[in-house]
Amino acid sequence: KQEVTQIPAALSVPEGENLVLNCSFTDSAIYNLQWFRQDPGKGLTSLLLIQSSQREQTSGRLNASLDKSSGRSTLYIAASQPGDSATYLCAVSGSNDYKLSFGAGTTVTVRA
Amino acid sequence: NAGVTQTPKFQVLKTGQSMTLQCAQDMNHEYMSWYRQDPGMGLRLIHYSVGAGITDQGEVPNGYNVSRSTTEDFPLRLLSAAPSQTSVYFCASSYNRRNTEAFFGQGTRLTVV
Repeated sequence: KQEVTQIPAALSVPEGENLVLNCSFTDSAIYNLQWFRQDPGKGLTSLLLIQSSQREQTSGRLNASLDKSSGRSTLYIAASQPGDSATYLCAVSGSNDYKLSFGAGTTVTVRA
Repeated sequence: NAGVTQTPKFQVLKTGQSMTLQCAQDMNHEYMSWYRQDPGMGLRLIHYSVGAGITDQGEVPNGYNVSRSTTEDFPLRLLSAAPSQTSVYFCASSYNRRNTEAFFGQGTRLTVV
């Protein structure tokens, strides 16, 4: 059974600092990995999707890396802003059944 | 383009009552799924469907039923609500089983008393 872990559970940084969020998974046989953002009381919004054959994916201030062999992904958010405050979740899709397995998330607070 | 729409947003049930959570998507996605989100546990898959007429169980299916009579709709039925089913429920869809970029609804917060 795939286990996805996100550490730390919570993070507080001053505005302008770069954010580094970690995700690890136990089974390297994945199809892809996604990073999501969740605002309080809202649904999940897809930020980045990395196919298993890719090493990284970028969108604006966001960059996600994937090291499948070591079971790790990192989401970098450059020059953080208060609007980046949210919970960030990673999810991996299995290569056999394509089902998503989620981590519990990292709650980020960016202080103005 | 509404995306994934869930109703209701909030619901309080008494133990033993039944209800249906509605989910509809207008993106012509084949793959739809239901998750529950509990504090500190991430999202857990309840049931999923790879197309109209096809459903299967996820990680935590007990106490829930689903059906998929159309591509657009994927309702989740609670047969006899229990306090352990107090949670936030999310419906998600993706283009197909392999193109798994997922689009989520806004969630239904369910309390069972």
